[in-house]
Amino acid sequence: EAQLVESGGDLVQPGGSLRLSCAASGFSFSSHWMNWVRQAPGKGLEWVGQIKEDGSEKWYADSVKGRFTISRDNTKNVLILQMTSLRVEDTAVYYCARDFKWVQSDYWGQGTLVTVSS
Amino acid sequence: EIVLTQSPATLSLSPGERATLSCRASQTVTSYVAWYQQKAGQPPRLLIFDASTRATGIPARFSGSGSGTDFTLTINSLEPDDSAIYYCQWRPKFGQGTRLEIK
Repeated sequence: EAQLVESGGDLVQPGGSLRLSCAASGFSFSSHWMNWVRQAPGKGLEWVGQIKEDGSEKWYADSVKGRFTISRDNTKNVLILQMTSLRVEDTAVYYCARDFKWVQSDYWGQGTLVTVSS
Repeated sequence: EIVLTQSPATLSLSPGERATLSCRASQTVTSYVAWYQQKAGQPPRLLIFDASTRATGIPARFSGSGSGTDFTLTINSLEPDDSAIYYCQWRPKFGQGTRLEIK
């Protein structure tokens, strides 16, 4: 069965950077778009961005555009979220999710917590 | 910009009853609407995709319907384990969620 495991969440100061990883297994990683979705404490879900199967297309939410970069390594089945210029409002649990059709996601990781605070 | 509005914000029902959750889009959208269930401390779980297709392993008590701007998630024969927050999604947009309490 498909499995997604995020890592890299940490406490970071405003203006800092962080790199999240999502290790995929149990399915053909290179055949799926992949999404990042976040959830601030006690709040709802917010789509962060997505990347095409071969990495040739990437789309981002306006709230992170220019600060976050999504990439993938299909040889290692790993999805990456590089976050820079972090703000307090970026504090959230970050989930990676397998996109199977127009952003609809059927498998989700357990999430990794990013806390931006001084 | 498309906005998804879910109602009600909170729904309190008893076991065995039926829950009707609404998701309204601010303009007509394609039927790529998904519904997710999220319990405390867990990631979202896909229930319905393409507005009305149940995901793998989802009981028939869960059903989705709708088109255009109005979409509905119906849960029949409620069980205590159905207590959760339910989100609708259309492409990159999520609704704000409906909290369902079964008491």
